[in-house]
Amino acid sequence: KQEVTQIPAALSVPEGENLVLNCSFTDSAIYNLQWFRQDPGKGLTSLLLIQSSQREQTSGRLNASLDKSSGRSTLYIAASQPGDSATYLCAAPGYSSASKIIFGSGTRLSIRP
Amino acid sequence: NAGVTQTPKFRVLKTGQSMTLLCAQDMNHEYMYWYRQDPGMGLRLIHYSVGEGTTAKGEVPDGYNVSRLKKQNFLLGLESAAPSQTSVYFCASSPAGGLHRAGELFFGEGSRLTVL
Repeated sequence: KQEVTQIPAALSVPEGENLVLNCSFTDSAIYNLQWFRQDPGKGLTSLLLIQSSQREQTSGRLNASLDKSSGRSTLYIAASQPGDSATYLCAAPGYSSASKIIFGSGTRLSIRP
Repeated sequence: NAGVTQTPKFRVLKTGQSMTLLCAQDMNHEYMYWYRQDPGMGLRLIHYSVGEGTTAKGEVPDGYNVSRLKKQNFLLGLESAAPSQTSVYFCASSPAGGLHRAGELFFGEGSRLTVL
């Protein structure tokens, strides 16, 4: 059974800092891993999707890496801004079915001006 | 493009009442999902579908039923609502990227359900 864990549950940093969010998964035989952003009271927005054959993906100030052997993914945010404040979630397919996508509980990020 | 649309967006039920949440996607995606989100618990998968006419159980399927009669629609039903089903429900869809590969997830805006 796939389990996805995100630590820490909450993080507060001053504006301008570079930061790393962590995601770990128990089943390394995944097809892909996705990072999402969720603003309060809103739905989820896909940020980055890393296929199993890739080691990282970049979009603007965001960079996500995937290390299947260690069961870990990281989301790196460069030069953080107050607008980056949100909850960040990662999701990975389950063990028995690649279409059964399991989420971590998220990291609530707050960027202080 | 509308993307993924959920109706209704808000609903209040009394214990024991039934209701259906509708999810519609206009992207011709094969896979569709229903999740619930509760404070501090992330998103938990209720049921999912890998194609028209198919459904499968997720992590927390008890108390819910689903149907996928048309490719673009995925219905989530509560036959006898309970206060424990108070939650925000999210629908998502995904293209099938290849043989049993799930692609990028696209989410609806959510449906907030309160059971009194």
